[in-house]
Amino acid sequence: DVLLVQSGGGVVRPGESLRLSCAASGFIFDDYGMTWVRQVPGEGLEWVAGINWNNSTAGYADSVRGRFAISRDIAKKALYLQMNSLRAEDTALYYCARVGGRPFGDYPFDFWGQGTVVIVSS
Amino acid sequence: IVLTQSPGTLSLSPGERATLSCRASQSFSSSYLGWYQQKPGQAPRLLIYGASRRATGIPDRFSGSGSGTDFTLTISRLEPEDFAVYYCQQYGSSPLTFGPGTKLDIK
Repeated sequence: DVLLVQSGGGVVRPGESLRLSCAASGFIFDDYGMTWVRQVPGEGLEWVAGINWNNSTAGYADSVRGRFAISRDIAKKALYLQMNSLRAEDTALYYCARVGGRPFGDYPFDFWGQGTVVIVSS
Repeated sequence: IVLTQSPGTLSLSPGERATLSCRASQSFSSSYLGWYQQKPGQAPRLLIYGASRRATGIPDRFSGSGSGTDFTLTISRLEPEDFAVYYCQQYGSSPLTFGPGTKLDIK
């Protein structure tokens, strides 16, 4: 079965950094794009970043471009989100998700992790 | 591409038919339109992709339709477990975007 297990959330101060991880199992990791989506409690879903199956291309929401970096380690079957210069408005529940095809666009998000909370507060 | 969903909240009873709307700020291929269901405390679940294709394991009471800028998710006969929030998403043009959601609650 496809499983995405997330880790790495926590409480940080504005301006600090945090790295989220997403461990994948149950599928051929380098056959699929991967993505991050966040959700402020009680609000809707916001796409954050995506990466192609082979690390060749990544895309970002305007709200995080230049501060966040998505990456993947194929050998470890892991997806990462490096979050720098964090702001209060980055506070949210962050989900990793598998994209249903190789590019991070063009396919829906067919499996999701359990989510990890990031709180940015002074 | 900005997605707008209506209504914001839909109050219906089990057994009734639900029709949820998703409208886009510009036209795009229906191949890139999906619908997700989210229940409290859970991650979203993919229901429909390509505007009308049911994801694996999704009951046939869920159906999708539409093209261009107007898309619809229909639940033919509501079951108690269908009361949730539903999001549409376009995944064909970066930045990928979600609609604000429609909350389907029990009348």
